[in-house]
Amino acid sequence: QKEVEQNSGPLSVPEGAIASLNCTYSDRGSQSFFWYRQYSGKSPELIMFIYSNGDKEDGRFTAQLNKASQYVSLLIRDSQPSDSATYLCAVKRAAGNKLTFGGGTRVLVKP
Amino acid sequence: DGGITQSPKYLFRKEGQNVTLSCEQNLNHDAMYWYRQDPGQGLRLIYYSQIVNDFQKGDIAEGYSVSREKKESFPLTVTSAQKNPTAFYLCASSRTPDEQFFGPGTRLTVL
Repeated sequence: QKEVEQNSGPLSVPEGAIASLNCTYSDRGSQSFFWYRQYSGKSPELIMFIYSNGDKEDGRFTAQLNKASQYVSLLIRDSQPSDSATYLCAVKRAAGNKLTFGGGTRVLVKP
Repeated sequence: DGGITQSPKYLFRKEGQNVTLSCEQNLNHDAMYWYRQDPGQGLRLIYYSQIVNDFQKGDIAEGYSVSREKKESFPLTVTSAQKNPTAFYLCASSRTPDEQFFGPGTRLTVL
């Protein structure tokens, strides 16, 4: 079992719809959770992070964390063609600097 | 402009050669990291450094070496012992353990 798992996709969504991405993790000691966006051939950029159970909203993005079920999700509202990218989930334990990444979910937003 | 620079953007290596990838940051970040990304996969940690003159192995350190003689610089050497070095190499830095920012990457190809 991989430490951080994501559906590789592609997840195809029409423009204006909500894209829903999921990530599960195996380490119960994970305390911080991150979503990165990576355009093809480019480096990842941090979208948002979440520490506590529940929802965290930032613009069109909402991260949802459920530690009991060991999953974190990302919702992209009003999806735009510019949101077409690979979204990487990463987790970190309380101690140390190491991020563990999932394989990423490719999202395609169709006009 | 503050940021992270990596050079070269593209690098070609012959079998048996050592090559060094450059990473420089002017963000005054203490911590720096090297990741490797293979096609369609997430990032895997090679080495990281939390302070000058100190560094730790990540998950896939075999065949790689680093140095951290200056706060701004964290070069990565890919040695001939690394049997499958073709990949996208990403350098990151952070002020806090959580918010890692990535450079533009170096794409290494073995000829």
